[in-house]
Amino acid sequence: GESVGLHLPTLSVQEGDNSIINCAYSNSASDYFIWYKQESGKGPQFIIDIRSNMDKRQGQRVTVLLNKTVKHLSLQIAATQPGDSAVYFCAENTGANSKLTFGKGITLSVRP
Amino acid sequence: EAGVAQSPRYKIIEKRQSVAFWCNPISGHATLYWYQQILGQGPKLLIQFQNNGVVDDSQLPKDRFSAERLKGVDSTLKIQPAKLEDSAVYLCASSLQVGQGQPQHFGDGTRLSIL
Repeated sequence: GESVGLHLPTLSVQEGDNSIINCAYSNSASDYFIWYKQESGKGPQFIIDIRSNMDKRQGQRVTVLLNKTVKHLSLQIAATQPGDSAVYFCAENTGANSKLTFGKGITLSVRP
Repeated sequence: EAGVAQSPRYKIIEKRQSVAFWCNPISGHATLYWYQQILGQGPKLLIQFQNNGVVDDSQLPKDRFSAERLKGVDSTLKIQPAKLEDSAVYLCASSLQVGQGQPQHFGDGTRLSIL
């Protein structure tokens, strides 16, 4: 079946460095993608989204890149801070009902 | 703006008992979702409402799970009887409406433990 997945289960970065979290998706019909951040004991928090008619979108300290040719999504976090430590999920939306399919998540650990 | 509210935060029950969770979405959000999140995995959609109608319940185990949103605002999710494999966090999310490009906003969930 088609699914959303993440390449690496954990990522450890030095505080102040840039982080790149990657995600592969397999449903070519997906037209909307979201990155969520989930801290322990909390629900997923919306970070940034991108539609399939775009290949890049920037927010505050975050950038999402979409490569539809290879069905790859990435989240870049600039100047990573301890507060960025969390599990990150990419999610894809296929169809008109806004149904999201989530990957398993990747843990970002920021070293002081 | 107030976020999605859920209660209780934690619930511990024995297998074969019943349990109910409550969700109040963000004001004005027509679409409401219930997800199940098993430890170490991403959330899995159980049911989606648009106002008080069900849009998608294809992954809801209907022999034991039920959900309602009678007035198109608050929603309850019930499990009866509970099984050990139902131990998970139950997340509620809402979005303005059904449609492409509508981000879903999540509550902090109810952590359910089945003994």
